Amino acid sequence: GQQVMQIPQYQHVQEGEDFTTYCNSSTTLSNIQWYKQRPGGHPVFLIQLVKSGEVKKQKRLTFQFGEAKKNSSLHITATQTTDVGTYFCAMNTGNQFYFGTGTSLTVIP
Amino acid sequence: DTAVSQTPKYLVTQMGNDKSIKCEQNLGHDTMYWYKQDSKKFLKIMFSYNNKELIINETVPNRFSPKSPDKAHLNLHINSLELGDSAVYFCASSATLNQPQHFGDGTRLSIL
Repeated sequence: GQQVMQIPQYQHVQEGEDFTTYCNSSTTLSNIQWYKQRPGGHPVFLIQLVKSGEVKKQKRLTFQFGEAKKNSSLHITATQTTDVGTYFCAMNTGNQFYFGTGTSLTVIP
Repeated sequence: DTAVSQTPKYLVTQMGNDKSIKCEQNLGHDTMYWYKQDSKKFLKIMFSYNNKELIINETVPNRFSPKSPDKAHLNLHINSLELGDSAVYFCASSATLNQPQHFGDGTRLSIL
């Protein structure tokens, strides 16, 4: 199956700092989903973006879908130790569905 | 009640053996999936099963065969296990194809 590189692959931040992960596709997407996987756990669905330019917020998390529907970002404001984990985007082109390579976030207390 | 449950949680076996992993969902979803997550954490879709239609990832060896007795169950049978099959296997379900997915806790498969 296809795999798309997320950037960065790893990120270490001091608690309280912000964090952003990016997901880019070469093709236009029908929608994009974001998941979080805690160490030793399973992926948990966070949000789905469908509309061009869409921005959604969940407390300290902000999700954006690009105008061309080819890229997306997840931004966490003022990270906490509970934010530790791997964040995956999952891209739906209509014909194909595949996960990004993930960004592993470490938060240093 | 657990939404997506898979058994066993751990599976340790020898090369060449045949094993099965079971998955059940009680969400009333139409679609179920199997994923393989390797040591680098890459999540690769192996199969999706939507309304009795099986969609196969062509990179999956034919030693892997999904079996779905009904909409709520999707089991994974693996023949002639190889060292490279060691990974965590996740089952997931969604209301319809490619919609937000609920994952099981995973089965950690170790081949000796």
